[in-house]
Amino acid sequence: SQQGEEDPQALSIQEGENATMNCSYKTSINNLQWYRQNSGRGLVHLILIRSNEREKHSGRLRVTLDTSKKSSSLLITASRAADTASYFCATVDSYGQNFVFGPGTRLSVLP
Amino acid sequence: ETGVTQSPTHLIKTRGQQVTLRCSSQSGHNTVSWYQQALGQGPQFIFQYYREEENGRGNFPPRFSGLQFPNYSSELNVNALELDDSALYLCASSLGPGLAVFGPGTRLTVT
Repeated sequence: SQQGEEDPQALSIQEGENATMNCSYKTSINNLQWYRQNSGRGLVHLILIRSNEREKHSGRLRVTLDTSKKSSSLLITASRAADTASYFCATVDSYGQNFVFGPGTRLSVLP
Repeated sequence: ETGVTQSPTHLIKTRGQQVTLRCSSQSGHNTVSWYQQALGQGPQFIFQYYREEENGRGNFPPRFSGLQFPNYSSELNVNALELDDSALYLCASSLGPGLAVFGPGTRLTVT
């Protein structure tokens, strides 16, 4: 079964609004990463947050991590139509062997 | 520095046939992982190769097999194709845990 679970499964917003996606996971992690995927193409790495970090920023992206609740959130501020994509969280366990992905959040940003 | 490349981009096979997908890892990366992504789902870990040896495997049957070559490029072979094998196959290369670069994927359709 998948470790990460994103919420919501789909999100539709207007350009300029903020988009928040949540991710929950089940086991101890080394780090958590967020990826974007456009129309079934390859995954683009957005941001990595380590298990000893609580918040991280990158441009219009803000990621939080709460290891006590085993959850993370991705905030995209001032969204653009080009942000339309599927967003996945992926965890790397303590063995660091592979990624475990959630089912993703499909974000639609309407112009 | 080149990224991860995969070939072919897409292909169509018939049930029962065999297929080989190829991946060239990013320069200097010695670890390659393969993922299967069914439509509308997150990627699922198939297996990982480290210095030409299988270094971990997900919940996939033995008809999914792989190779890694001395230059760290890799192949994914699938025998006795089934309709459910239709998916996007993603290759990721890395130097260490959780620092992977994903390729654009190969879209496989089994009819």
